[in-house]
Amino acid sequence: DAGVIQSPRHEVTEMGQEVTLRCKPISGHNSLFWYRQTMMRGLELLIYFNNNVPIDDSGMPEDRFSAKMPNASFSTLKIQPSEPRDSAVYFCASSPGTGGTQPQHFGDGTRLSIL
Amino acid sequence: DAKTTQPNSMESNEEEPVHLPCNHSTISGTDYIHWYRQLPSQGPEYVIHGLTSNVNNRMASLAIAEDRKSSTLILHRATLRDAAVYYCILRRGSNYKLTFGKGTLLTVNP
Repeated sequence: DAGVIQSPRHEVTEMGQEVTLRCKPISGHNSLFWYRQTMMRGLELLIYFNNNVPIDDSGMPEDRFSAKMPNASFSTLKIQPSEPRDSAVYFCASSPGTGGTQPQHFGDGTRLSIL
Repeated sequence: DAKTTQPNSMESNEEEPVHLPCNHSTISGTDYIHWYRQLPSQGPEYVIHGLTSNVNNRMASLAIAEDRKSSTLILHRATLRDAAVYYCILRRGSNYKLTFGKGTLLTVNP
């Protein structure tokens, strides 16, 4: 079974550039999550979509970050302009539901380095 | 959200059982206990969850104290591939949120 697919796996870019991270959730899952992991702050939820609609974006750090889910099989997380402090591993996860019993399935992440 | 407390690190030998503890003294009646693990350079992976009764699956067992203030994740025979950070997370019944703490870094010695 195909899991959550993220691309690219690694991204190195210069400060000020636009960065786009991509995610394909597991087919049939109606919930999608974007997380960020750093040594200092651990794993943090950035945004949560349900049925392609953003439900909770309270974790998005600032206006430079935006996320979209144009259809059930694709989501993007965009940073514009990027800054060195955005360097982190970004994970996408999907879930068949949102209740407390539903596990989240994570991709292998995108390691982002902003120089 | 109710908080969990886990040891920072634990060590085990290959082929031996491992008991990973988690304290959650402020757990509420609708909080599920979830365990995830994160292998090096990978995303977190769901392991198991439970509410009140002990649970078993192909990966592990979850033992929940009668008062639900603590739980233990049991790996019956540790392998080198079980070396990971293990997260114990409380998740309210209707809530989509997973709030990750620092977890326990498990080292498995050959």
